[in-house]
Amino acid sequence: DAGVTQSPTHLIKTRGQHVTLRCSPISGHKSVSWYQQVLGQGPQFIFQYYEKEERGRGNFPDRFSARQFPNYSSELNVNALLLGDSALYLCASSLGRTDTQYFGPGTRLTVL
Amino acid sequence: GQQVMQIPQYQHVQEGEDFTTYCNSSTTLSNIQWYKQRPGGHPVFLIQLVKSGEVKKQKRLTFQFGEAKKNSSLHITATQTTDVGTYFCAGPRNTGNQFYFGTGTSLTVIP
Repeated sequence: DAGVTQSPTHLIKTRGQHVTLRCSPISGHKSVSWYQQVLGQGPQFIFQYYEKEERGRGNFPDRFSARQFPNYSSELNVNALLLGDSALYLCASSLGRTDTQYFGPGTRLTVL
Repeated sequence: GQQVMQIPQYQHVQEGEDFTTYCNSSTTLSNIQWYKQRPGGHPVFLIQLVKSGEVKKQKRLTFQFGEAKKNSSLHITATQTTDVGTYFCAGPRNTGNQFYFGTGTSLTVIP
């Protein structure tokens, strides 16, 4: 079975632009969470979606938004990009809301 | 807000030596998870501890959850070069599968 997949793998944007990152969970998993990992730090929780509804939000500005589709895939959108948004964006899926999380390979975003 | 800290931040050991990383939370945790992230990779789930005082072993790795459920440790016996990476603990937010990750301990194993 395929693991969690994310696209694109790398992305370069300039300040002020917006970006959409995509995640496909493991087949059968209904929960998707998004994390931001800045170099040298641990992942920081951004959002959790379960059954297409937002179930939790971390301490991130409203420039960050997400959604989950009927097939349980998910998108993370970031508007008005700042230099500080440069990071590895990780998606994690799980069967239910509290089950083991499986991380995807991440999307490395560079904002110039 | 809730904080999850780990010490040490970095650890260099000779191959064959033991290694321990400690995780401390500012609040009581319902459970704690441990992940390993290789350089350039993504976090990989290792184990989850739920019960107070719980100890679990995976080959050379021993995980412990404190009695007060506010701290945890990971001990590796006789490190190997394949153990290289950053080890994170993660504790849940109030509900659901939303985790606060610790600051991580980066392990370097010198052959």
